[in-house]
Amino acid sequence: AQSVTQLDSQVPVFEEAPVELRCNYSSSVSVYLFWYVQYPNQGLQLLLKYLSGSTLVKGINGFEAEFNKSQTSFHLRKPSVHISDTAEYFCAVTGGVGTSYGKLTFGQGTILTVHP
Amino acid sequence: GAVVSQHPSWVICKSGTSVKIECRSLDFQATTMFWYRQFPKQSLMLMATSNEGSKATYEQGVEKDKFLINHASLTLSTLTVTSAHPEDSSFYICSANPGRGYNEQFFGPGTRLTVL
Repeated sequence: AQSVTQLDSQVPVFEEAPVELRCNYSSSVSVYLFWYVQYPNQGLQLLLKYLSGSTLVKGINGFEAEFNKSQTSFHLRKPSVHISDTAEYFCAVTGGVGTSYGKLTFGQGTILTVHP
Repeated sequence: GAVVSQHPSWVICKSGTSVKIECRSLDFQATTMFWYRQFPKQSLMLMATSNEGSKATYEQGVEKDKFLINHASLTLSTLTVTSAHPEDSSFYICSANPGRGYNEQFFGPGTRLTVL
């Protein structure tokens, strides 16, 4: 079984400040990790993903995340946020080949609010 | 590329009626589609996995007779909420996986269902 914990339900931050959204996972198999963003009443947009290779993953809109296997973490970071980054962010995990293949397990979500 | 659409984007219906939601992959063939449900201020919960030409696999606790899923072609899956009640009001999101080793799901924009 796999699970995802997003450690902060809400993160307020001022515009142009750096931000980190935390995500920890547990899984009995090798995992693929994703960060999605959801704007109100919309579907999910992929920010970035870790499948293999370099542990530092760069995504769209200036976001990046680092896969840390020893700490089972996949924290999302942005060095300078904009008002338009205000949204809800979801961390998700899926396993490799096997019963959990292709099935995403989502974290509880983190609402990022950027203040002017 | 990799666009998934949902129709309708929102629907209001009376209690006791049935509602059909369509999920289409517009520019790729999806061997697997997933249906999620999202309550306000909550994360996405996987309801079922559908594979083209076979019966859907439902997650524990999801009533298969209430939420009928049909994956009739490689580009279309439908979710029918039968005899809808106010507690079925939710945001329903589908996603599609192209298969062939893809480890990513592409999400539709969601359908807001309100049952009066």
